[in-house]
Amino acid sequence: DGGITQSPKYLFRKEGQNVTLSCEQNLNHDAMYWYRQDPGQGLRLIYYSQIVNDFQKGDIAEGYSVSREKKESFPLTVTSAQKNPTAFYLCASEGTEAFFGQGTRLTVV
Amino acid sequence: AQTVTQSQPEMSVQEAETVTLSCTYDTSESDYYLFWYKQPPSRQMILVIRQEAYKQQNATENRFSVNFQKAAKSFSLKISDSQLGDAAMYFCAYRRGDMRFGAGTRLTVKP
Repeated sequence: DGGITQSPKYLFRKEGQNVTLSCEQNLNHDAMYWYRQDPGQGLRLIYYSQIVNDFQKGDIAEGYSVSREKKESFPLTVTSAQKNPTAFYLCASEGTEAFFGQGTRLTVV
Repeated sequence: AQTVTQSQPEMSVQEAETVTLSCTYDTSESDYYLFWYKQPPSRQMILVIRQEAYKQQNATENRFSVNFQKAAKSFSLKISDSQLGDAAMYFCAYRRGDMRFGAGTRLTVKP
């Protein structure tokens, strides 16, 4: 059945390492988003893409990178330049409404 | 960038009572979408209700309804007959191009 899948659910990385979070959707949606959520806070937009091979920075893009080579996939790389990467990351795709993945909890030690 | 403001960090309601969550937004656009999302402890985001800005009629979904005041840029959510399962974080969102969220309101339902 259709949906949006984020993997893994939990991710641990050492400081200074890049890490890539996966987001895949089979809803045939053009738009996809990455958000960061810190404890007790709202969702802050990192990057979004409205079409394959095109994406725009959100409010907190520094230290992150994305690619959109396929309609179904929108991976997020958290680079070593991100000063405080430990957070909960949510991916969404959108048609007439946004559907969210279950999130990835990234912990950098 | 458009901003979305939820001025109530926490709200509490007695089971079976009604509660209203507030949301305001800032935009110069006339055509956009507004949403309320619920995030329970599982952290899965669930769409509660959506409103197209060009529609004057307020959206309703069962016990959930909105009061959309376009000129005032206000979009409040009313939950009637509150249930224990309504306890969650509620986020207001604005979409035109990208989608922006407010900081959220934590709703507690007292039995």
